[in-house]
Amino acid sequence: HVQLQESGPRLVKPSEPLSLTCTVSGDSMINYYWNWIRRPPGRGLEWIGYVYNSGHTKYNPSLKSRISISVNTSRNLVSLKLNSVTAADTAFYFCVGVEVGSTNFDYWGQGSLVTVSS
Amino acid sequence: QAVLTQPSSLSASPGASASLTCTLRTGFNVTTYNIHWYHQRPGSPPRFLLRYKSDSDKQQGSGAPSRFSGSKDSSANAGILLISGLQSEDEGDYYCSIWHNSAGTFGGGTKLTVL
Repeated sequence: HVQLQESGPRLVKPSEPLSLTCTVSGDSMINYYWNWIRRPPGRGLEWIGYVYNSGHTKYNPSLKSRISISVNTSRNLVSLKLNSVTAADTAFYFCVGVEVGSTNFDYWGQGSLVTVSS
Repeated sequence: QAVLTQPSSLSASPGASASLTCTLRTGFNVTTYNIHWYHQRPGSPPRFLLRYKSDSDKQQGSGAPSRFSGSKDSSANAGILLISGLQSEDEGDYYCSIWHNSAGTFGGGTKLTVL
């Protein structure tokens, strides 16, 4: 089965971009849609968006103007960039794989806590 | 109003059953959606439990015990997660989710306490 590991800066200043990378191992990337999901401390899960290997993306409408998700199949990487962050973007960010043909968020990374603070 | 509404908390005794609801906003017909359920314990990522559309179209997550089952209440426009034989390890946060127009959405989550 696929394994996922998020990495990136744990502290970001307000108004700056948040960038995270997900390293994929254990299976071919073409078999999955690659999602980002976050959970702010004390709150519930929020779906951010996904990318497929073709580069096709779908984003949460509430975040669409600020986010970009991309994939690099040659390096087995999925990337998230969230612009103009505020304290409200402080959250655990999860990289999540959904098998093509499925609708289940089956494969989760351990998550990366990103804090927005000056 | 949120698309998916869940009670914020629920308590039940070990060995008992618990029914967690996920109510869809008016305009979203529960009979047409796959309802997905996830469980998250502190310090761990969420884990997929099951998908339920109907008794003939459902899927149990890998490793998810058969004590977890799904159903729907069409009159309430809600999806239901039933947990039987509650155990201490069932504590945590439970989330429902659907896909709508190729976008994912989650309910606010229910915190289940087993005591």
